[in-house]
Amino acid sequence: SAVISQKPSRDICQRGTSLTIQCQVDSQVTMMFWYRQQPGQSLTLIATANQGSEATYESGFVIDKFPISRPNLTFSTLTVSNMSPEDSSIYLCSVRQDGELFFGEGSRLTVL
Amino acid sequence: AQSVTQLGSHVSVSEGALVLLRCNYSSSVPPYLFWYVQYPNQGLQLLLKYTTGATLVKGINGFEAEFKKSETSFHLTKPSAHMSDAAEYFCAVSGNSGNTPLVFGKGTRLSVIA
Repeated sequence: SAVISQKPSRDICQRGTSLTIQCQVDSQVTMMFWYRQQPGQSLTLIATANQGSEATYESGFVIDKFPISRPNLTFSTLTVSNMSPEDSSIYLCSVRQDGELFFGEGSRLTVL
Repeated sequence: AQSVTQLGSHVSVSEGALVLLRCNYSSSVPPYLFWYVQYPNQGLQLLLKYTTGATLVKGINGFEAEFKKSETSFHLTKPSAHMSDAAEYFCAVSGNSGNTPLVFGKGTRLSVIA
């Protein structure tokens, strides 16, 4: 099973600032997926990151707000830009392996 | 495209009673189906998954689910509820490729009454 490390695990941020979340996987993977889980809600897919190409964003998410980098097959970053309190969520990096979806431990962001 | 509908945002059962959490899916390709559980302030844990083969899938903690293509359903059951089963349960669907993301339902909160 894939082991995924995310940093930071939690942070408290000020309105209008940006924060970059890092995701490291212990094996090479083609696709990495970024999800958001707002308080008391389900998981919503933000984007799919494929190494060597631009990320594919889901409806309601845009690159200017959530820029993603995927420099190699084991690493990705998600930036949450110009944050507002509505961005307070858990952000999860994930990969699929043998049909199963594995998650990082998540990055819990609180925006004041 | 895929989507999931979980019927009932909150289900309450008595300890020892049958647990039934409903999930219907929509998929334009043969689906892979999943149930995840999330305990308070914890991450998601895979309960069980259906990919191909036997339509009755057994998972951890005594849970099982049956894939019914004709009904586009993948309901989760457990014969006898335990207090420790109280959690949020998410049904998810993906296409039958290992490189596609999962689409999650809105979740069902299970409460178990002593």
